[in-house]
Amino acid sequence: DAGVIQSPRHEVTEMGQEVTLRCKPISGHDYLFWYRQTMMRGLELLIYFNNNVPIDDSGMPEDRFSAKMPNASFSTLKIQPSEPRDSAVYFCASSLSGSGNTIYFGEGSWLTVV
Amino acid sequence: AQSVTQLDSQVPVFEEAPVELRCNYSSSVSVYLFWYVQYPNQGLQLLLKYLSGSTLVESINGFEAEFNKSQTSFHLRKPSVHISDTAEYFCAVKSQGNLIFGKGTKLSVKP
Repeated sequence: DAGVIQSPRHEVTEMGQEVTLRCKPISGHDYLFWYRQTMMRGLELLIYFNNNVPIDDSGMPEDRFSAKMPNASFSTLKIQPSEPRDSAVYFCASSLSGSGNTIYFGEGSWLTVV
Repeated sequence: AQSVTQLDSQVPVFEEAPVELRCNYSSSVSVYLFWYVQYPNQGLQLLLKYLSGSTLVESINGFEAEFNKSQTSFHLRKPSVHISDTAEYFCAVKSQGNLIFGKGTKLSVKP
């Protein structure tokens, strides 16, 4: 089975540019999560969706960040404009509903803003 | 609010030695606990999880963790580590559908 698929795997962009990260969750999963990982702050939840609806976006750093889930098989995380402090690994993850169900992670998108 | 504390940020150990990675959580409700492993330059993979029942849970590669409600702990152990176990290990608690992670423990296995 295909796992959570993220693209791009690596991106280097200049400050001020728009960055779009993409995610395809595991088929049939109804929860989708976006996490950010940095050395300083560890793993942080940015936002998560249930049945394509954003449930909690309290972790989104500021208005420069936005996330959408237009359908059950696709989500985007957009940063506009990007800043050097946005450099991090961004993980998408998905799961089935149910408290005990495992959350499966993608391989991550490694973003560097210069 | 739920939280997870991993007491050691780094644990160096020699190959074939035993290891324990410590994890404590705070929660006022029933918990579901997880250990994830992250190998260098990769995503997180589930290692094992506790949902209910037996307090000792095992993974396929020799790790085990014991849920201790009175001490609010979920420590991860392995009796004999391999070089290939070098990775970062994250303890997490499930809360309202989401995972709350600890800061991670980097396990470094030396020959």
